[in-house]
Amino acid sequence: DAGVIQSPRHEVTEMGQEVTLRCKPISGHNSLFWYRQTMMRGLELLIYFNNNVPIDDSGMPEDRFSAKMPNASFSTLKIQPSEPRDSAVYFCASSFSGASYEQYFGPGTRLTVT
Amino acid sequence: DQQVKQNSPSLSVQEGRISILNCDYTNSMFDYFLWYKKYPAEGPTFLISISSIKDKNEDGRFTVFLNKSAKHLSLHIVPSQPGDSAVYFCAASAVSGAGSYQLTFGKGTKLSVIP
Repeated sequence: DAGVIQSPRHEVTEMGQEVTLRCKPISGHNSLFWYRQTMMRGLELLIYFNNNVPIDDSGMPEDRFSAKMPNASFSTLKIQPSEPRDSAVYFCASSFSGASYEQYFGPGTRLTVT
Repeated sequence: DQQVKQNSPSLSVQEGRISILNCDYTNSMFDYFLWYKKYPAEGPTFLISISSIKDKNEDGRFTVFLNKSAKHLSLHIVPSQPGDSAVYFCAASAVSGAGSYQLTFGKGTKLSVIP
């Protein structure tokens, strides 16, 4: 079985550009989570979806960040415009809510904004 | 305010000895606790978990202990092996209003097992 798939694995962009990160959750999972990892703050939950509906986006840093889940097999996290302080590793995770607390993580996207 | 704290950013242990990783939490609503292991350039992977109704859970070389009164949990690895060298994250969960299990993570402890 394929795990959580994220693309791209690495992204280098200039300040002010739009960045789109993509995630394909594990088939059958109905919860999807976006996290950001930095040295200073560790792993922070940005937003999570349940059955494709955003449930809690209180972790989204500001209006420059947006996330969508148009169907059960795809989600995007967009940053527009990007800033150097957005440089981090972004993880997507999925789970089957109601059955398990365990979340399965993708390999992450390392974003560098210059 | 950090609800899940791992106060030791790093730990070095000799191969074959016991590794003890600690985690403290502040939110009494947490009802399930997990440990994740992360290698460089990979996502975290689930290692072991414990429900708040238990005080110990064992899986092979890995044992997690929970002390609810102290709001403290620990992960014991015995015997430690070089392949255990990784960053270990403690996570805690409380069911959200929507029925999803949201995890709150500590900042991680980097374990180095020296051959």
